[in-house]
Amino acid sequence: DAGVIQSPRHEVTEMGQEVTLRCKPISGHNSLFWYRQTMMRGLELLIYFNNNVPIDDSGMPEDRFSAKMPNASFSTLKIQPSEPRDSAVYFCAISPTALNTEAFFGQGTRLTVV
Amino acid sequence: AQSVTQPDIHITVSEGASLELRCNYSYGATPYLFWYVQSPGQGLQLLLKYFSGDTLVQGIKGFEAEFKRSQSSFNLRKPSVHWSDAAEYFCAVGERGYQKVTFGTGTKLQVIP
Repeated sequence: DAGVIQSPRHEVTEMGQEVTLRCKPISGHNSLFWYRQTMMRGLELLIYFNNNVPIDDSGMPEDRFSAKMPNASFSTLKIQPSEPRDSAVYFCAISPTALNTEAFFGQGTRLTVV
Repeated sequence: AQSVTQPDIHITVSEGASLELRCNYSYGATPYLFWYVQSPGQGLQLLLKYFSGDTLVQGIKGFEAEFKRSQSSFNLRKPSVHWSDAAEYFCAVGERGYQKVTFGTGTKLQVIP
């Protein structure tokens, strides 16, 4: 996970508030992925980018979720408004090429919505 | 659509014993296959991957996996488990030419002295 820095590591927020999760790749990559991990549903792909362009957002659960990648060094995942069922660990991962190769994961952001 | 099944939710082995974690996939063609490990509070780390060629793949930390097309399996093995191997293990399958990877539900490994 040395190639990706996520912030914050932990976030506790009240239902209805806006939440922004951040991802900063620190090594070369072509693709960036956002995953959500829960006990019930396991690891789910929410969205991924190739060369900063969103390619597949079919995993984004609702319109409350949005993701941006304004440049190669930064991406955000926003939830507005947040709900308790959004509580999960959110991972950002990068892949060095546009082909289907291994992904390097950040340490994740644990989100709790109360 | 591709899918991955890890039938064992939790496995306990003694330190020094051999280990095999099962993974079955569903995919129409030859897939890309991965095994990742996740320690508590950490992200996933790649152990090994299969793209083509030799069906027995060597990975880091002494792990290996064998791709068996006839059984649609990609089981992970280690001949002698160490206490530090206690973690959760994820099998994943990817489509060739497409970035989407589908993860299994994971197998938690407990290692007892």
